[in-house]
Amino acid sequence: SQTIHQWPATLVQPVGSPLSLECTVEGTSNPNLYWYRQAAGRGLQLLFYSVGIGQISSEVPQNLSASRPQDRQFILSSKKLLLSDSGFYLCAWSELRRGETQYFGPGTRLLVL
Amino acid sequence: GESVGLHLPTLSVQEGDNSIINCAYSNSASDYFIWYKQESGKGPQFIIDIRSNMDKRQGQRVTVLLNKTVKHLSLQIAATQPGDSAVYFCAETSAGGSYIPTFGRGTSLIVHP
Repeated sequence: SQTIHQWPATLVQPVGSPLSLECTVEGTSNPNLYWYRQAAGRGLQLLFYSVGIGQISSEVPQNLSASRPQDRQFILSSKKLLLSDSGFYLCAWSELRRGETQYFGPGTRLLVL
Repeated sequence: GESVGLHLPTLSVQEGDNSIINCAYSNSASDYFIWYKQESGKGPQFIIDIRSNMDKRQGQRVTVLLNKTVKHLSLQIAATQPGDSAVYFCAETSAGGSYIPTFGRGTSLIVHP
C-alpha cells in the first residue's frame, strides 16, 4: 500500500532563517506531487505541483520554492522565512495520469517568529 | 483562490442526528468529485468519491449525492458521532483538465454529545 511521509511534524523558526520541508511517498511510481498551505481555520492553498523529476509548477508567487530531486521526494524550501510563511503545510500525491484523488501527508506545522 | 481566505462555515449537530454538508461547484465540465475529512492537526483523508455518470453513492454511514443540473454536491452522514467532528472539503476535477483538483471552502462539523 502507498504511504506518504512528511517531516518535521512541527517547526519553529526565526524570521530570516532558511527552511526545508521534506515529503516522501512509498508504494507508488511516477506520482503527481503537491504542496499546499493551510492557514488556521481556512481552506487549502496550492503552492506547487510536480508531474515528474525536476518538473515544478508554481501556483502563486511567493517566498517559497520547491524541488523534486527524486521520483518520490518533494522538498519545500525558503532562503529567508517571513512571518507570513507561518501555517500548516501539506504534501499530497496522486496517480500520474490524472489528478483525481489526492492522498495527503500528516502535515508540518510551521511557526515563524 | 476565494476559498482560501474565508473563514469556514460551521454545522453543529447533536450526536445521533444525520448531518448534511453541501458543496456548490461552477465548472459544468467537472466529472469527478471527492469528499475529504480533515481532523484537527492532521492532513485531509479521502472519504468517498463519485463520478458524473452517477447521482448517488453510498459508503459506510456516508452518502454522496450529485445534482449536475444545479451543480451541487452533498455529503450525508448518518447517525453522526463525536468522532465525525472535523472539517469536510469537497473537490472536483474535469476530464481533459489539469492535474489539479479544485477544493471547496470546507465546512466545520461540530458534533455535540
